[in-house]
Amino acid sequence: KAGVTQTPRYLIKTRGQQVTLSCSPISGHRSVSWYQQTPGQGLQFLFEYFSETQRNKGNFPGRFSGRQFSNSRSEMNVSTLELGDSALYLCASGTGDPLAKNIQYFGAGTRLSVL
Amino acid sequence: GENVEQHPSTLSVQEGDSAVIKCTYSDSASNYFPWYKQELGKRPQLIIDIRSNVGEKKDQRIAVTLNKTAKHFSLHITETQPEDSAVYFCAARGVRGGYQKVTFGIGTKLQVIP
Repeated sequence: KAGVTQTPRYLIKTRGQQVTLSCSPISGHRSVSWYQQTPGQGLQFLFEYFSETQRNKGNFPGRFSGRQFSNSRSEMNVSTLELGDSALYLCASGTGDPLAKNIQYFGAGTRLSVL
Repeated sequence: GENVEQHPSTLSVQEGDSAVIKCTYSDSASNYFPWYKQELGKRPQLIIDIRSNVGEKKDQRIAVTLNKTAKHFSLHITETQPEDSAVYFCAARGVRGGYQKVTFGIGTKLQVIP
């Protein structure tokens, strides 16, 4: 079974630009969650999508948005980039079943650098 | 919402010694507590987990304990080896309104000194 795939692996952008990151979950997984990882801040939850609907959201500004397609692939968009948006963005997929463990499997991440 | 506190933020131990990482959570509805290990430059990977109806779980050199009353859970690594050096994240997951939400701790950087 293929793992969680994130593209691109690296991105360099300048302030004010916008960026779109992609995440393909493990086949059969319907839940995709996005996290921002920065040194000293750990894993900060952005949002979770399940069956094309956002069902959980973290405390990030509206510049951070996402969507999920019918094949469960998810995209995350950040508009008007700021220097502080430089981070490793991780997505994690799971079954999303509230009655099960719903183990999250992480992708390798997209390293975003904002100059 | 859920708040997960993790400590220490860094931990250095001699090879062969034990390491303990502790987490506390705030939401009594949390019912599942996974631990992830992230080696340098790699993705976080699940190493052990525990459900709220269990007090302790072991898997070879690692174990997790849960105290629901006190709302804290801990990761124990015995006979540490250099390859245990990594950042460890605890997490708590609760179900609210039929949906799950996972909250991670800030991470503990473990260094095992040969």
